[in-house]
Amino acid sequence: AQKVTQAQTEISVVEKEDVTLDCVYETRDTTYYLFWYKQPPSGELVFLIRRNSFDEQNEISGRYSWNFQKSTSSFNFTITASQVVDSAVYFCALSEGGWGGSYIPTFGRGTSLIVHP
Amino acid sequence: NAGVTQTPKFQVLKTGQSMTLQCAQDMNHEYMSWYRQDPGMGLRLIHYSVGAGITDQGEVPNGYNVSRSTTEDFPLRLLSAAPSQTSVYFCASSTRLAGIYNEQFFGPGTRLTVL
Repeated sequence: AQKVTQAQTEISVVEKEDVTLDCVYETRDTTYYLFWYKQPPSGELVFLIRRNSFDEQNEISGRYSWNFQKSTSSFNFTITASQVVDSAVYFCALSEGGWGGSYIPTFGRGTSLIVHP
Repeated sequence: NAGVTQTPKFQVLKTGQSMTLQCAQDMNHEYMSWYRQDPGMGLRLIHYSVGAGITDQGEVPNGYNVSRSTTEDFPLRLLSAAPSQTSVYFCASSTRLAGIYNEQFFGPGTRLTVL
């Protein structure tokens, strides 16, 4: 069965610090998808990134970067030079379609990031 | 495109009452799902559908029913509300393009309180 673990419940940093949010996943499938979503205090869920299991390239988007490592089943998210607007709950999710899977993602419990000015 | 819409935004029920949370999407997505969000628990899957006429249970289906008679609509029914169903409910839709599963689009959520 698919599983996503976000061991960090809450992280508190001061503005301009770099911060890494950890995500570890479990799957039996060889084809799967990993996602990160952001939930700001307003409550909506904002899609950040999708990564396919066959593409281990890391990705950078502005101050955001993602490190996908199949060898350790991890898909970590780093925010460089954090800002107060980065304060949110961040969710990692896993989607698999093999072994009779539905592709509907399973979510981790989320990491609450608080960035202090 | 309106995306994924949910109604109502807020609802207060008494124990034992029934109600339907509405969800609609206008993107012709085949996948739709309902999650509930409780503090510290992340998003937990209640029910999902992989196409019109096809539904299945998720992780926490007890006390909820769904149906998918059209591609656009995926209502969630609470049969007899209980205080344990106090939560924020999110509906989502997604699709596969060229064999690739894409991200979910989420509705704004419904905050339900059961007294």
